[in-house]
Amino acid sequence: DSGVTQTPKHLITATGQRVTLRCSPRSGDLSVYWYQQSLDQGLQFLIHYYNGEERAKGNILERFSAQQFPDLHSELNLSSLELGDSALYFCASSVGTFPGELFFGEGSRLTVL
Amino acid sequence: SQQGEEDPQALSIQEGENATMNCSYKTSINNLQWYRQNSGRGLVHLILIRSNEREKHSGRLRVTLDTSKKSSSLLITASRAADTASYFCATDANTGTASKLTFGTGTRLQVTL
Repeated sequence: DSGVTQTPKHLITATGQRVTLRCSPRSGDLSVYWYQQSLDQGLQFLIHYYNGEERAKGNILERFSAQQFPDLHSELNLSSLELGDSALYFCASSVGTFPGELFFGEGSRLTVL
Repeated sequence: SQQGEEDPQALSIQEGENATMNCSYKTSINNLQWYRQNSGRGLVHLILIRSNEREKHSGRLRVTLDTSKKSSSLLITASRAADTASYFCATDANTGTASKLTFGTGTRLQVTL
């Protein structure tokens, strides 16, 4: 158990819809990272938050947004969903801003029909 | 985009044999990490090697780093069926204010009895 909690584990929705994925980092970790894993794109970095502030952005679509709340949990919002958004979305946490070891959650599997 | 590429993409060996997988990356790094992922599960950190280190050991794992060739290798000795998983290298691209870990394409290791 990594100590990182992601909900929901599975989500099935239709194109055009909006979903919210939630992540609770390990106790004491201030950084939260979001990654998308799909068969054709591999593991893609989306965004990094540290103590509530956005620190780095990767290949995150404009239809996607994220935030980290004062209690350090984070949410990834995906809107106007397309078939190609079907993927495993991982949250990971670490203590500081520069990633040493990342602790990953078990992921949220999103299926867009 | 992928910073690292693992080679081979897939590897099948028998229990007791050694498994070697390689990672090549493109830009200068601060450190390189290896992660393991069981099918559909979250990634688990295995080992971190800093750019000024050449070799590191952890149990049955040995990692080497050659910064002049921008490459790393992960050796798993005396493999077990439980080692069956995908293995990813990850490098940090220092953006100045924060780093993000960029993962390679992964090597799928199958260890048979």
